[in-house]
Amino acid sequence: AQSVSQHNHHVILSEAASLELGCNYSYGGTVNLFWYVQYPGQHLQLLLKYFSGDPLVKGIKGFEAEFIKSKFSFNLRKPSVQWSDTAEYFCAVIPFSGGYNKLIFGAGTRLAVHP
Amino acid sequence: DVKVTQSSRYLVKRTGEKVFLECVQDMDHENMFWYRQDPGLGLRLIYFSYDVKMKEKGDIPEGYSVSREKKERFSLILESASTNQTSMYLCASSDPGLAGTDTQYFGPGTRLTVL
Repeated sequence: AQSVSQHNHHVILSEAASLELGCNYSYGGTVNLFWYVQYPGQHLQLLLKYFSGDPLVKGIKGFEAEFIKSKFSFNLRKPSVQWSDTAEYFCAVIPFSGGYNKLIFGAGTRLAVHP
Repeated sequence: DVKVTQSSRYLVKRTGEKVFLECVQDMDHENMFWYRQDPGLGLRLIYFSYDVKMKEKGDIPEGYSVSREKKERFSLILESASTNQTSMYLCASSDPGLAGTDTQYFGPGTRLTVL
């Protein structure tokens, strides 16, 4: 079955540290890739997405992600985190498999940033 | 801005009760979705609808049904609530873009507790 793996369930960082959250998916065909974020008490919202073109994608709030097709990965990065980045981050994939293409989510990574 | 609203933020029900969760979107989106979000499992798709009166099973439809009588409204029904349905329920909507390119917009969620 198609799946999305997020390697870290909990990450704790100090402000100004660099962030990299791993995401791997298990599907050999064409995929569209997403990162969503859920700040405490807020809606799940789109951080960035990749459909095609430049594999380095820039999103909101200084986040970026790189699609590496050979590694089936779409890792999220931010050079310097802030306390306001404390949230849960979800990687999601749409694998093209005929019919309606469903969004498949990873388990999520809880990020806590300490001042 | 797209707005997806859910009828309740918190709901407490008893085992065996029939439960209705309502979702309304104001962007004339074709597609609507119901997910449940559980710690360590991410979001799992229960049902989705790509048109009025149309519905498709997601990955975990057992114990749930849905209704879409109007384009803007998508209801999730728990026919006989059980304790293992205690969860956070998220509604989402999207417009169908080219295959797999539709971005889903999420509501604030309903935290359902079944006693």
